[in-house]
Amino acid sequence: AQSVTQPDIHITVSEGASLELRCNYSYGATPYLFWYVQSPGQGLQLLLKYFSGDTLVQGIKGFEAEFKRSQSSFNLRKPSVHWSDAAEYFCAVGAYSSARQLTFGSGTQLTVLP
Amino acid sequence: DTAVSQTPKYLVTQMGNDKSIKCEQNLGHDTMYWYKQDSKKFLKIMFSYNNKELIINETVPNRFSPKSPDKAHLNLHINSLELGDSAVYFCASSQDWRGAGTEAFFGQGTRLTVV
Repeated sequence: AQSVTQPDIHITVSEGASLELRCNYSYGATPYLFWYVQSPGQGLQLLLKYFSGDTLVQGIKGFEAEFKRSQSSFNLRKPSVHWSDAAEYFCAVGAYSSARQLTFGSGTQLTVLP
Repeated sequence: DTAVSQTPKYLVTQMGNDKSIKCEQNLGHDTMYWYKQDSKKFLKIMFSYNNKELIINETVPNRFSPKSPDKAHLNLHINSLELGDSAVYFCASSQDWRGAGTEAFFGQGTRLTVV
């Protein structure tokens, strides 16, 4: 079965600083990888996804993520954080033949300082 | 138009009561889900339906009974509510239940509080 680890529970950055949120997955084959964002009191919004092809994927709101098979990682990055990026970020993995659909990491809470 | 909508957004009820949460998607997706998010923000799948048929039941107590009258709707009925059922419940849908089709679209969530 697949699993996802987000090692950072909480990250604080200053507005305008760069951001990297870590995600490591465990799955025996090529995974389908997703990053979702949850703003307070809101549902989950898809930021970006990786299915195949170019390992650097671009998403909405200026986010990007890089799939590194050798490290089983799919880290999320943004060059310059905005105050509105403060939210909870979830990495998730889906598998082609799994009946478990999306398995989520435990989330990383992002705080942005003015 | 809201893609995945669930009602109510907030639900406060007493222990022992029975309650329902409704979910509708207008994306034409075949697969719908219920996820539970606990107080630590951990998201775990509860049920998955594909074309009205149950394909996943993740060892959820049988007090929880999903019902899918058609592929655009997946409702969640909970009997004999317990304090531990307090959580945020998310409905989601995806084009398919495997592979690239598993990109899920989520509703706004229903915050259930059992007192």
